[in-house]
Amino acid sequence: GNSVTQMEGPVTLSEEAFLTINCTYTATGYPSLFWYVQYPGEGLQLLLKATKADDKGSNKGFEATYRKETTSFHLEKGSVQVSDSAVYFCALSDSSGGYQKVTFGIGTKLQVIP
Amino acid sequence: DAMVIQNPRYQVTQFGKPVTLSCSQTLNHNVMYWYQQKSSQAPKLLFHYYDKDFNNEADTPDNFQSRRPNTSFCFLDIRSPGLGDAAMYLCATSRETSGRYEQFFGPGTRLTVL
Repeated sequence: GNSVTQMEGPVTLSEEAFLTINCTYTATGYPSLFWYVQYPGEGLQLLLKATKADDKGSNKGFEATYRKETTSFHLEKGSVQVSDSAVYFCALSDSSGGYQKVTFGIGTKLQVIP
Repeated sequence: DAMVIQNPRYQVTQFGKPVTLSCSQTLNHNVMYWYQQKSSQAPKLLFHYYDKDFNNEADTPDNFQSRRPNTSFCFLDIRSPGLGDAAMYLCATSRETSGRYEQFFGPGTRLTVL
């Protein structure tokens, strides 16, 4: 079955530091890949996505590239802000079962300190 | 703004007392999903509707039921809540079942069972 592995947190960074959150996946077929962000007490918001190999998703300074050869979709940001503090979920989606099945990683909590 | 709305945001019920959580959407998406998210865990899919077709995940307890009276609304019924059912419940929608389309999440309902 499908699975997503992401680094466990919490990750604590100083403001303006470089962020990498690793994500690797196992899937049959050709899934789409997503990063969702969850702020405290809220639902999930889509941060970025990539639907095929070598696609780069980007939003709000965050980037991730769909790497089929390494089955990875690492999240990066060049300079984090305190407002980026949240939990980040890597996810994959396929429709091989006839409907969109989303598999989430465990989530990585990011804390950015001033 | 088109969105996914969940009411209430916080729900307290007693052990064994039936409870209903509601979700509505203005996106006109034909697929709606219910997830359970326990503390520090990834969301877990309970079931989804593709139009009026109900699809239950194999490991969803019988205690959880759902209704979708029309395109815009979907309800989660917990017939006899146990202490282990305390969690955040997330509703999501998607335009299609193709994995290319992301899911849009509501803010969630946090359920407490006393």
